[in-house]
Amino acid sequence: EPEVTQTPSHQVTQMGQEVILRCVPISNHLYFYWYRQILGQKVEFLVSFYNNEISEKSEIFDDQFSVERPDGSNFTLKIRSTKLEDSAMYFCASSSETGAETQYFGPGTRLLVL
Amino acid sequence: QQQVKQSPQSLIVQKGGISIINCAYENTAFDYFPWYQQFPGKGPALLIAIRPDVSEKKEGRFTISFNKSAKQFSLHIMDSQPGDSATYFCAASISLGYGKLTFGQGTILTVHP
Repeated sequence: EPEVTQTPSHQVTQMGQEVILRCVPISNHLYFYWYRQILGQKVEFLVSFYNNEISEKSEIFDDQFSVERPDGSNFTLKIRSTKLEDSAMYFCASSSETGAETQYFGPGTRLLVL
Repeated sequence: QQQVKQSPQSLIVQKGGISIINCAYENTAFDYFPWYQQFPGKGPALLIAIRPDVSEKKEGRFTISFNKSAKQFSLHIMDSQPGDSATYFCAASISLGYGKLTFGQGTILTVHP
């Protein structure tokens, strides 16, 4: 069964450093998402991406965040200057259609900012 | 108005019992309501979903009940098993939107053998 994969599984970084989280969505999917989950809290939407552009973003997704689909398979989330409060689990998801279609989530990247 | 409120925060059920988790929403534009199951160290996985044109949907031991007028929906797990122990999230989205899922706060379900 196809699945969304994410690397790395864990990332530890110093405050102010840049991090890039990588995702490989399911191959025939066209819509891509990033969510985050601070420990013990709910999953929060960050951004949706389609046709090589952001289709929607949340208030969390400020100028420090960016997304990119550099080739036909990868989807990345970059945090330019990490803050302590960026520590969370980051999930990538993809779907074949937008709206009310099943989103498939990856296993997540646990980011710890020291 | 975008919030989805979920209760209880945690739930302990005996094996064979019924687990019930409730969610409420405010945004009447929401028209797709999935439930996700998450095991420790894993991403959320879709369990079952409902659209507001039906009041109930059943898949195996899992049933969603939907009350459009009350803007509430609930997940019922019949014959709960220890393997059902996980965190359950309700969510909502808008079919004509870009797919943004708004999640509830999550319920940690523990099923004792």
